[in-house]
Amino acid sequence: SQQGEEDPQALSIQEGENATMNCSYKTSINNLQWYRQNSGRGLVHLILIRSNEREKHSGRLRVTLDTSKKSSSLLITASRAADTASYFCATDPDSWGKLQFGAGTQVVVTP
Amino acid sequence: DGGITQSPKYLFRKEGQNVTLSCEQNLNHDAMYWYRQDPGQGLRLIYYSQIVNDFQKGDIAEGYSVSREKKESFPLTVTSAQKNPTAFYLCASSGRQGAGYGYTFGSGTRLTVV
Repeated sequence: SQQGEEDPQALSIQEGENATMNCSYKTSINNLQWYRQNSGRGLVHLILIRSNEREKHSGRLRVTLDTSKKSSSLLITASRAADTASYFCATDPDSWGKLQFGAGTQVVVTP
Repeated sequence: DGGITQSPKYLFRKEGQNVTLSCEQNLNHDAMYWYRQDPGQGLRLIYYSQIVNDFQKGDIAEGYSVSREKKESFPLTVTSAQKNPTAFYLCASSGRQGAGYGYTFGSGTRLTVV
């Protein structure tokens, strides 16, 4: 079963613009993670935010978490063509580290 | 460099055949996982292993089998009982539970039934 659901399913922007995608989940979590997948490749871990954190930054990435609404957002600032990829949120619902992934947001950044 | 190696990159299976996908890691991670990815459906957990000689079923284990005889290796066998095996298979590993390191993924194996 999929815990997280990303919105929108697809996003097309121009270089330099910001990209925002959202993730909603159903049950309580230990942490929420975001991953990037380039076409036909494995996933790459971007950032992890714990259930007691509200915001986290890593380079051009900003993640927020609202546990009362069971939602998270990923903001990519000043996007580049190299940011073109699918982005997945994943939730860790218990202490076993068994992540559950959403269906992803496909982001296309055009020069 | 440490990482996860999946092989082969592409695999073709005939009807009624069992095939085994390889996953090897040199990260000294305790936990390993197998996911299946279908277009538009995200990743679904097949099997996972927290420690050597132990593994658990995930959400879609039917038609699959695994073994964990060594810490470094977690091979996945797609049996003839799996009726729709065509998919992209991803192996991942992680460190101590709750340590917040996230998963490290391999580059995947694309399996096609011919």
